[in-house]
Amino acid sequence: KAGVTQTPRYLIKTRGQQVTLSCSPISGHRSVSWYQQTPGQGLQFLFEYFSETQRNKGNFPGRFSGRQFSNSRSEMNVSTLELGDSALYLCASSLVGAEAFFGQGTRLTVV
Amino acid sequence: AQKITQTQPGMFVQEKEAVTLDCTYDTSDQSYGLFWYKQPSSGEMIFLIYQGSYDEQNATEGRYSLNFQKARKSANLVISASQLGDSAMYFCAMRVIQGAQKLVFGQGTRLTINP
Repeated sequence: KAGVTQTPRYLIKTRGQQVTLSCSPISGHRSVSWYQQTPGQGLQFLFEYFSETQRNKGNFPGRFSGRQFSNSRSEMNVSTLELGDSALYLCASSLVGAEAFFGQGTRLTVV
Repeated sequence: AQKITQTQPGMFVQEKEAVTLDCTYDTSDQSYGLFWYKQPSSGEMIFLIYQGSYDEQNATEGRYSLNFQKARKSANLVISASQLGDSAMYFCAMRVIQGAQKLVFGQGTRLTINP
């Protein structure tokens, strides 16, 4: 059974650009959540999608957005990138109420 | 607000020894779940063990066990017979909304196993 797949694994962007990260959940998992991990702030919840609907949202500016498709794949987008957006972005999928399984993450560097 | 506290930034343990990683939590919810994840240098978060707030028995998964003390609001992870491959960051997390998948994480403990 394939795990959670995140693409790309590494990304370098320039300030002011936008970026889209992709997450393919484990087959059958309808819940997909996103987290940002930085050395200073640790792991912070961004948002969760379930059946194409955003179910929860963390305390991030509107530049961070996401969506989920009918096949449960999810994308997150960050517009007008700032240096502080440099982080490891982790995606997790789960069955309803069960443990979350994480992907290997996308490491974003903003220069 | 929900909060997870891990007071040990780093721990060094000899191979084959048992190790306990501390985790305390704060929530006013009666129903919650507690998780431990391992993060090797590759970055992936690996699920280790889960404890529900209403579970009467401490959770165990192979070499991992969770010492759950509800009154003290602690959920310590115990790794028996540590191995070199156990060297990694360990995160304690809490699910704060029943059914949803919003996790609050602690700051983590970096565990180093010495040969």
